Amino acid sequence: KAGVTQTPRYLIKTRGQQVTLSCSPISGHRSVSWYQQTPGQGLQFLFEYFSETQRNKGNFPGRFSGRQFSNSRSEMNVSTLELGDSALYLCASSLPHGGVSSYNEQFFGPGTRLTVL
Amino acid sequence: GDSVTQMEGPVTLSEEAFLTINCTYTATGYPSLFWYVQYPGEGLQLLLKATKADDKGSNKGFEATYRKETTSFHLEKGSVQVSDSAVYFCALSPSAAGNKLTFGGGTRVLVKP
Repeated sequence: KAGVTQTPRYLIKTRGQQVTLSCSPISGHRSVSWYQQTPGQGLQFLFEYFSETQRNKGNFPGRFSGRQFSNSRSEMNVSTLELGDSALYLCASSLPHGGVSSYNEQFFGPGTRLTVL
Repeated sequence: GDSVTQMEGPVTLSEEAFLTINCTYTATGYPSLFWYVQYPGEGLQLLLKATKADDKGSNKGFEATYRKETTSFHLEKGSVQVSDSAVYFCALSPSAAGNKLTFGGGTRVLVKP
């Protein structure tokens, strides 16, 4: 079974530009979550999508947005890039959360490393 | 809000030494607890998990026990190998919050031959 794939793997942008990152989940997985990893803030949850709807959202400004398509592939977009947006962006897929006190393992992709100059 | 605190690294060990990484958490309700590992240049991999108090998660010689009374989930391995060199993350997921994970800051472990 193919794992979670993220494209591109590396990206260099300049301040003020916008960027779109893509994530293809494991076949059959319907939930996709996005995380930002930086040396200063560590791993932080951005948002989760399930059945094309945002189900959870972290504490990030509105410049960070995402969407999910009917085939469960997801994209995240960052507009008006700032230097502080330089990070490794990780995508994770899982079967949908089954309810209270249950959990479906999240499988992470290798990440997209974004550098903002 | 929810938070996870784990010991800062780096932790440097010799091969076959005992490894402990402390992790404590703050959360309401009954979260699920996890340890993830990140090898150089790779994404995160789930190492082990525990979903209720007193559960013990184990995998690849690593163990951690969900201690609700001390809100802790310490990771241990009795005999580390060079291949265990990685960054380890403790994380929690609230019981009814979908797949949102809150991570600790990570602990880098370096095992020398």
